Amino acid sequence: DGGITQSPKYLFRKEGQNVTLSCEQNLNHDAMYWYRQDPGQGLRLIYYSQIVNDFQKGDIAEGYSVSREKKESFPLTVTSAQKNPTAFYLCASSAQSGTGAFFGQGTRLTVV
Amino acid sequence: GESVGLHLPTLSVQEGDNSIINCAYSNSASDYFIWYKQESGKGPQFIIDIRSNMDKRQGQRVTVLLNKTVKHLSLQIAATQPGDSAVYFCADLRPDFQKLVFGTGTRLLVSP
Repeated sequence: DGGITQSPKYLFRKEGQNVTLSCEQNLNHDAMYWYRQDPGQGLRLIYYSQIVNDFQKGDIAEGYSVSREKKESFPLTVTSAQKNPTAFYLCASSAQSGTGAFFGQGTRLTVV
Repeated sequence: GESVGLHLPTLSVQEGDNSIINCAYSNSASDYFIWYKQESGKGPQFIIDIRSNMDKRQGQRVTVLLNKTVKHLSLQIAATQPGDSAVYFCADLRPDFQKLVFGTGTRLLVSP
C-alpha cells in the first residue's frame, strides 16, 4: 500500500451522524487526495490538498469536509449532509514533482 | 478524462493472449500519466507511469504507449494471466493544480 494507511477498513454509521475517515502517509508526499468509488464504477475526486493548511474541492465535495493540519495526515469527514454516503473511500498521495501517486487500501463505509 | 461514475467496460481475453487497454485523456497540458490495477475490495496498485516527453515505456510484461497528438494512452499486457484479472485505470496529473484525474476504468477478465 505504498506507505499510506487508511483506517478503519470497515465503518458503519447511523443516518444523521458525522464520521471521520483517517489517512496517514509516511512518504513525505506534499499532495494528498480523497476519492469515492461506488460498486462497479470509477473513482471520483472529493477533495485534494497540495500543501499543509490548503485544500481544494474536487468534483463531488458536497457533504464532505477535510483538514490538512499536518503533512502526514488528511482526514475526511462524511457529514450528515451527504445524502448517499455508502461507498468505498480511497486516499492517495503524490510527491509535488508529480511522480509515484500511491493509494491506501480503502475504507468501506456503510450507513445503517 | 474525468471519471464521472460510469459503469465499467469489460475486456475478456484468454490466458496467454496479449491484452490492450485504452484510455483517452482530455487535458493537453497533462504531462504525467499512470496506470493502476485494482483488485476487488482493494486500493488501486501502481503499475507503470510515463512522462509526456516519452511515447513508450516498458515494464515487466507491461508496456504503456502515449499518443499526445490524439490524447490517447494504452496499456499492453503480454501473456495475460488469470492473476491479471482486475479493473485497470489510467490517470493523468495536471501540472497546474497537481490534481490527479482518473479515466473511466476497464475491467479485464482472463479466462484459463
